Amino acid sequence: NAGVTQTPKFQVLKTGQSMTLQCAQDMNHEYMSWYRQDPGMGLRLIHYSVGAGITDQGEVPNGYNVSRSTTEDFPLRLLSAAPSQTSVYFCASSKPGGVSGNTIYFGEGSWLTVV
Amino acid sequence: QKEVEQDPGPLSVPEGAIVSLNCTYSNSAFQYFMWYRQYSRKGPELLMYTYSSGNKEDGRFTAQVDKSSKYISLFIRDSQPSDSATYLCAMSHAGGTSYGKLTFGQGTILTVHP
Repeated sequence: NAGVTQTPKFQVLKTGQSMTLQCAQDMNHEYMSWYRQDPGMGLRLIHYSVGAGITDQGEVPNGYNVSRSTTEDFPLRLLSAAPSQTSVYFCASSKPGGVSGNTIYFGEGSWLTVV
Repeated sequence: QKEVEQDPGPLSVPEGAIVSLNCTYSNSAFQYFMWYRQYSRKGPELLMYTYSSGNKEDGRFTAQVDKSSKYISLFIRDSQPSDSATYLCAMSHAGGTSYGKLTFGQGTILTVHP
């Protein structure tokens, strides 16, 4: 059971380049999300999906695009990379649990540097 | 002002000490409260999960939620060097699609010295 798998783990981009961070989960979770983590800021929600074909914006969506064509995959696209997007990116997945449980599983992270 | 405030520390304690970590929040709609532990260069992992107000204990860890004061705490008893990590509080609204949308505190860096 791999859980939540993110690729690549490290990436250096030049300003203006585009790229896609991949995220896959094998737990058949309905909910998937992308967060970024910056020093002193905790994790902030970028985009969110409650199922295939359904996505929504989080707190910091500008400069990022997502789609959810399958339950398993939730890629995050940087359209035109900027130095402000230098960060650690975490993908997460969960299933509705309500009061009985709401475990959200995180991937290992993708370290992105934009120069 | 951030919706969730957490003292970033760093916090340094000797092995065996009781550690208290705290978060305050401003949004009264938060119903689910979580504590995550994050080791260096790893993803966050769930430690404790509490719904609404009250206490929850799991081994050396106790989570407390006081919704009237908008204040949550995590206590670590008999702290160990292996507890050295960043601790993040997180919260979410109740119902429907809110379950997977978390608002995090800034994280507290904890070091436990042997």
